[in-house]
Amino acid sequence: GEEVAQTPKHLVRGEGQKAKLYCAPIKGHSYVFWYQQVLKNEFKFLISFQNENVFDETGMPKERFSAKCLPNSPCSLEIQATKLEDSAVYFCASSPAGGAQHFGDGTRLSIL
Amino acid sequence: GENVEQHPSTLSVQEGDSAVIKCTYSDSASNYFPWYKQELGKRPQLIIDIRSNVGEKKDQRIAVTLNKTAKHFSLHITETQPEDSAVYFCAASEPGGSYIPTFGRGTSLIVHP
Repeated sequence: GEEVAQTPKHLVRGEGQKAKLYCAPIKGHSYVFWYQQVLKNEFKFLISFQNENVFDETGMPKERFSAKCLPNSPCSLEIQATKLEDSAVYFCASSPAGGAQHFGDGTRLSIL
Repeated sequence: GENVEQHPSTLSVQEGDSAVIKCTYSDSASNYFPWYKQELGKRPQLIIDIRSNVGEKKDQRIAVTLNKTAKHFSLHITETQPEDSAVYFCAASEPGGSYIPTFGRGTSLIVHP
């Protein structure tokens, strides 16, 4: 597609539950990025993929967060045992090699 | 790693005035500098970008300047309109490396009619 598609738009989970977010990158883009944006607007980088391979995961809190980009499937970001501080908007972006990132509409995750 | 500082954090202007947002970066290897506009509740959208082989780029009312020696770049918006109100983010990246841009903390631009 011509746009990065993220689902769901809004996800509500109780503290301790699992949350799974999806992202379909733009066709032909080889890089996928996940960011967390909290109230203060700052983008926190989580993880990036080059095709289905993890490229950089220095931002991932690995004990609860995991992500995948498998061939012919949307990419996913999964949070186990969610905490209140996980409440944020999670953006996915994709880019061609050396090109600008194109963002999805984000998934608003609310942990109650 | 790269560190990007963005100023001001909030900018309030009257319609028709110009607005300037400034960013500095620390990694001299960075060579790609995009600017994103994010309206409330929406996705960040690329509005202009510049690569290190040029010093200035213009697109209608928006321009970006880059000073590689001083490691700073700026976004200039002329004849501002209320619809320019949004949060603007600068970023710096080194496409030859990890491709991961480092973002500034954002500038909330408010254009008063």
